[in-house]
Amino acid sequence: AQSVTQLDSQVPVFEEAPVELRCNYSSSVSVYLFWYVQYPNQGLQLLLKYLSGSTLVKGINGFEAEFNKSQTSFHLRKPSVHISDTAEYFCAVSERGYQKVTFGTGTKLQVIP
Amino acid sequence: SAVISQKPSRDICQRGTSLTIQCQVDSQVTMMFWYRQQPGQSLTLIATANQGSEATYESGFVIDKFPISRPNLTFSTLTVSNMSPEDSSIYLCSVEDGSRGYTFGSGTRLTVV
Repeated sequence: AQSVTQLDSQVPVFEEAPVELRCNYSSSVSVYLFWYVQYPNQGLQLLLKYLSGSTLVKGINGFEAEFNKSQTSFHLRKPSVHISDTAEYFCAVSERGYQKVTFGTGTKLQVIP
Repeated sequence: SAVISQKPSRDICQRGTSLTIQCQVDSQVTMMFWYRQQPGQSLTLIATANQGSEATYESGFVIDKFPISRPNLTFSTLTVSNMSPEDSSIYLCSVEDGSRGYTFGSGTRLTVV
């Protein structure tokens, strides 16, 4: 069965500093990987996804993530964060077949002015 | 990508009553998914709804508690029945959005008192 681990429940970072949000997954088969963002009192918005091909995936709002199969990781990065990036970020995995999606427990990113 | 209209956006309900949540999609989709996000936690899949067939429920969720309707390819409802305070959560619907992954509604924030 697939599972996702987000190692940090909260990450405070100063504005314009870089940030990395960590995500590790477990699965016995090939997977698709996703990062979603949830702003306060809102639904989830897809930031980026890895389906196949290049292991470096670029998403919206300047975020990118790198798929590392040997380390079963899919860490999210941004070189310079803004106040508006304050939100909760969820890593998710779906095994090939693309039906059930399993979410991590989320990482709250707090950008400090 | 698909646009989902979910309502109500929030409600406060008395224990023992039921609430029906609606999701309307602006395009035809084969599968719709219903998730629960309990306070401070990640998303948990409740069930998958295909048009013309009974919904498929995940472990720990039953049809009597969470009946789902899927009358056509653009609409679905989830009912939370005989509510208790433990049902206080955010409920979200989601659709598989082709190569874009999954799109989510804005959620229904339910408080049971």
